[in-house]
Amino acid sequence: EAGVAQSPRYKIIEKRQSVAFWCNPISGHATLYWYQQILGQGPKLLIQFQNNGVVDDSQLPKDRFSAERLKGVDSTLKIQPAKLEDSAVYLCASSLDLFRDEQYFGPGTRLTVT
Amino acid sequence: QKEVEQDPGPLSVPEGAIVSLNCTYSNSAFQYFMWYRQYSRKGPELLMYTYSSGNKEDGRFTAQVDKSSKYISLFIRDSQPSDSATYLCAMRNSGGYQKVTFGIGTKLQVIP
Repeated sequence: EAGVAQSPRYKIIEKRQSVAFWCNPISGHATLYWYQQILGQGPKLLIQFQNNGVVDDSQLPKDRFSAERLKGVDSTLKIQPAKLEDSAVYLCASSLDLFRDEQYFGPGTRLTVT
Repeated sequence: QKEVEQDPGPLSVPEGAIVSLNCTYSNSAFQYFMWYRQYSRKGPELLMYTYSSGNKEDGRFTAQVDKSSKYISLFIRDSQPSDSATYLCAMRNSGGYQKVTFGIGTKLQVIP
């Protein structure tokens, strides 16, 4: 079974630039999560999708972050414009459905904003 | 006060030692408790999952939940260098969909 795929693995941008991350969940997983993990901290949920609908985006800074999962499979997370404090690892995870606690994480995208 | 508190370490132990990793929490509604292991530059992977109070054992790993003290533990017996990683506790409320809250993780190094 292929795991959660993410790209790119690393990205360096200057502040005020835009960036996009891509995630392909495990086949058949209805629920997809985007987390932000700042160095030395635990993952913080940014947004959660069930198929192509948003379940929870209460911690997504909507003035600069956006995410979509148009066909209910892969997803993109965008930051525009980036700030220095957005430097973090962005983790994508998926689970079979909304009520399964076992989340499978991808390797993450390490973003550095200079 | 953070909902979940976890000592970031680092914790260094010799190979073969018993390791104890702990988290405390303030939200008495938490019912489901998880431990994730995260290797450097990798995503977390679920190690242990428990509901409410009690112990759960899986090979060299034992998860323990004490809801009266709002305290959870992960024990690793016969620790190996391959156990060197960051261990994140995570927990959530019961009742349908509930967001999972993660601790900051404890970095463990097992010295050969």
